[in-house]
Amino acid sequence: DQQVKQNSPSLSVQEGRISILNCDYTNSMFDYFLWYKKYPAEGPTFLISISSIKDKNEDGRFTVFLNKSAKHLSLHIVPSQPGDSAVYFCAAISGTYKYIFGTGTRLKVLA
Amino acid sequence: DVKVTQSSRYLVKRTGEKVFLECVQDMDHENMFWYRQDPGLGLRLIYFSYDVKMKEKGDIPEGYSVSREKKERFSLILESASTNQTSMYLCASSPLRSEAFFGQGTRLTVV
Repeated sequence: DQQVKQNSPSLSVQEGRISILNCDYTNSMFDYFLWYKKYPAEGPTFLISISSIKDKNEDGRFTVFLNKSAKHLSLHIVPSQPGDSAVYFCAAISGTYKYIFGTGTRLKVLA
Repeated sequence: DVKVTQSSRYLVKRTGEKVFLECVQDMDHENMFWYRQDPGLGLRLIYFSYDVKMKEKGDIPEGYSVSREKKERFSLILESASTNQTSMYLCASSPLRSEAFFGQGTRLTVV
């Protein structure tokens, strides 16, 4: 049973445009969410996070939105750059220790 | 600078061998994790540890065991390697309820 879902396996966006990556979750007990970026043959690197007491968090070109009633979060990248091409994973923390990851979305930014 | 180091980038082992994957972190983090990444399945949690000698099963612990004798080191053991354990293995560490930092990954092939 996938508690964190990324329903789009891939996404292509033109350079300079907005990339929107989506993530849905089923467990209402999740209260902290994170986005990671992963290049091939490397470990994931942390991008941005959001606590459930907020509905938006911004860091440079990256903004994460949280809609608790819909159990949905999204990552916006504006403007998208070719170097953003990677696999993006959303994750949710359950309790103190357990990080649950989604299946990932492969973003391709076209020059 | 935060560092999680996995002992090998690439490994090739034979079916039935006992395999040890080592992970060391230098950040004095309480939590350590082992995930495997497979296409279309995202990052799946194998085991995690929240303290020395403490461990808990993740979502796919079958065929694996772990050891955490020192805070900085978390080992994943494949008791008898099988071809369905061919995968990318990722170690991570985190302080309590904060972003996890990943190692560079170990690509294990079981032949």
